Amino acid sequence: DTGVSQDPRHKITKRGQNVTFRCDPISEHNRLYWYRQTLGQGPEFLTYFQNEAQLEKSRLLSDRFSAERPKGSFSTLEIQRTEQGDSAMYLCASSFSEAFFGQGTRLTVV
Amino acid sequence: QKEVEQDPGPLSVPEGAIVSLNCTYSNSAFQYFMWYRQYSRKGPELLMYTYSSGNKEDGRFTAQVDKSSKYISLFIRDSQPSDSATYLCACRSLNAGNMLTFGGGTRLMVKP
Repeated sequence: DTGVSQDPRHKITKRGQNVTFRCDPISEHNRLYWYRQTLGQGPEFLTYFQNEAQLEKSRLLSDRFSAERPKGSFSTLEIQRTEQGDSAMYLCASSFSEAFFGQGTRLTVV
Repeated sequence: QKEVEQDPGPLSVPEGAIVSLNCTYSNSAFQYFMWYRQYSRKGPELLMYTYSSGNKEDGRFTAQVDKSSKYISLFIRDSQPSDSATYLCACRSLNAGNMLTFGGGTRLMVKP
């Protein structure tokens, strides 16, 4: 499968715990994005990497969120001290021109 | 007010009907326009990608952009039950780092 891969697909965590998600982009794509989508809404931009450089972050990305893309390949999104409001689908996309999305990681904070 | 607006639906049509899905946007800097299809609990799938105004056709799908009125449309001909999904429009400007701004999505149901 040469598409965008995300792991895990589902994550249930207790409030206050830390979680980390992984995204493997399409190999020739140098741009990688993280979005968050809540039920009934469109995806909202969180952050953007070009190669290993994090070039843009949304104000939605609070201090509890951190994203990395070491060596410009896969990326991780970590949420520290999770809150119930963090429950959402976290989507990763990669692009050369148009963006292609992975299947997402559905996070439930209980 | 959101930068990209869509009627959330649901829009229910019989199989074989022509479907018209629409978005309006407010940011004049948007130059690229996309339609994504999203099935329940799945990631968005790119359907159409257009630059500036005009029409683009791909099989049963036609995307139309009217920048003068800031209006984007997606037409689906001969709709099938498998087209039942949420359709998201997305816009991007030239200097936004490829960040997409999405509408809230329109849920489409095609009944056999």
